[in-house]
Amino acid sequence: AQTVTQSQPEMSVQEAETVTLSCTYDTSENNYYLFWYKQPPSRQMILVIRQEAYKQQNATENRFSVNFQKAAKSFSLKISDSQLGDTAMYFCAFMKHYGGATNKLIFGTGTLLAVQP
Amino acid sequence: DAGVIQSPRHEVTEMGQEVTLRCKPISGHDYLFWYRQTMMRGLELLIYFNNNVPIDDSGMPEDRFSAKMPNASFSTLKIQPSEPRDSAVYFCASSLRKNSNQPQHFGDGTRLSIL
Repeated sequence: AQTVTQSQPEMSVQEAETVTLSCTYDTSENNYYLFWYKQPPSRQMILVIRQEAYKQQNATENRFSVNFQKAAKSFSLKISDSQLGDTAMYFCAFMKHYGGATNKLIFGTGTLLAVQP
Repeated sequence: DAGVIQSPRHEVTEMGQEVTLRCKPISGHDYLFWYRQTMMRGLELLIYFNNNVPIDDSGMPEDRFSAKMPNASFSTLKIQPSEPRDSAVYFCASSLRKNSNQPQHFGDGTRLSIL
């Protein structure tokens, strides 16, 4: 069975600074996807970034980037130039890949990020 | 395009009552998921459907919970009878199989409080 671990329940960062959120996972699969979702106080679940396991290049979306280490089963999220609107709960998630079939997401327990002015 | 629509946004009811949560997935999506979020257990998948057929309901906590998807544009999650420990935020999400890495799109959730 797959598991996702986020070891940082809470983090704080000053506005405009950079912060890295950690995520590790356990799987015997070779093909899979990894995601970071953001949940602000409004409680929406918003996709931040995704990574395909077969791609060696780390995914980047504007101020958000990941450090994907497949051998170490690590998938950290870096937020650059932090903004007050980045304050939210961040969830790391894993999804198996079966030749094109959608499968269920397995979520970590989340990291609550507070951006301080 | 409209996203996943859930109703109601908040529900407060007394224990023992029947509760029905509703979800309208994104048009054209063929997968629908129901999640429960609590402080203690985080986000848990309860059940998911493919083309209106339940595929995996192993996350449904007990027989008091049931879910249906009578057509491609509507699903319900029902709790009968409800108990205080069912209090949580319930999310519905949908996705499209054609793009295997298409992320799930979430609704805004229903905050359920059982008194």
